[in-house]
Amino acid sequence: DTGVSQNPRHKITKRGQNVTFRCDPISEHNRLYWYRQTLGQGPEFLTYFQNEAQLEKSRLLSDRFSAERPKGSFSTLEIQRTEQGDSAMYLCASSSGGALDWELFFGEGSRLTVL
Amino acid sequence: GQSLEQPSEVTAVEGAIVQINCTYQTSGFYGLSWYQQHDGGAPTFLSYNGLDGLEETGRFSSFLSRSDSYGYLLLQELQMKDSASYFCAVRDPGSGAGSYQLTFGKGTKLSVIP
Repeated sequence: DTGVSQNPRHKITKRGQNVTFRCDPISEHNRLYWYRQTLGQGPEFLTYFQNEAQLEKSRLLSDRFSAERPKGSFSTLEIQRTEQGDSAMYLCASSSGGALDWELFFGEGSRLTVL
Repeated sequence: GQSLEQPSEVTAVEGAIVQINCTYQTSGFYGLSWYQQHDGGAPTFLSYNGLDGLEETGRFSSFLSRSDSYGYLLLQELQMKDSASYFCAVRDPGSGAGSYQLTFGKGTKLSVIP
């Protein structure tokens, strides 16, 4: 068990560029989540996968955001035409899908800075 | 929608006991959980309460009162390494009871001083 791995850890980009983040969950976990966190705030839900199926998306999520989890393993989060307001820490988490499923295992995040 | 209120900052002395409160408003309730996050680190799960009462895990305990929409995290025998942010979280029913969204509070920054 190597934990949840996220890459890159830091990304600086210019407004209007596209960025992609990768998440490798704990290998036996079938559930994967993306959250976003800004300074002084708690994590904010973006989207959720069970295996390869994207089952939930935040109602606040812009169409510029898209996520995939091909083959139910790693996941990618792409942000198109980045805006300065997208600057945040993007957190990935996974869980084993137990009955309660309250224990999410988070990665250390990918920090995005949009100039 | 969901909303959670917790104090933004708490300071306590090493060796002491500190309580971090959380009040919530939810359209449906499935339980309250707590996470710890050190600066620059990943949030880590601490505890979950689905029913009223106290759950104890080592130096940490968590309490829930569903009738008061209130819970707290109790940290005993504080250590310097407990300095971190603590978040309460509830499950957002979203579009149905099967939602797995967690809604987090804004967090309480705990500073433990010698």
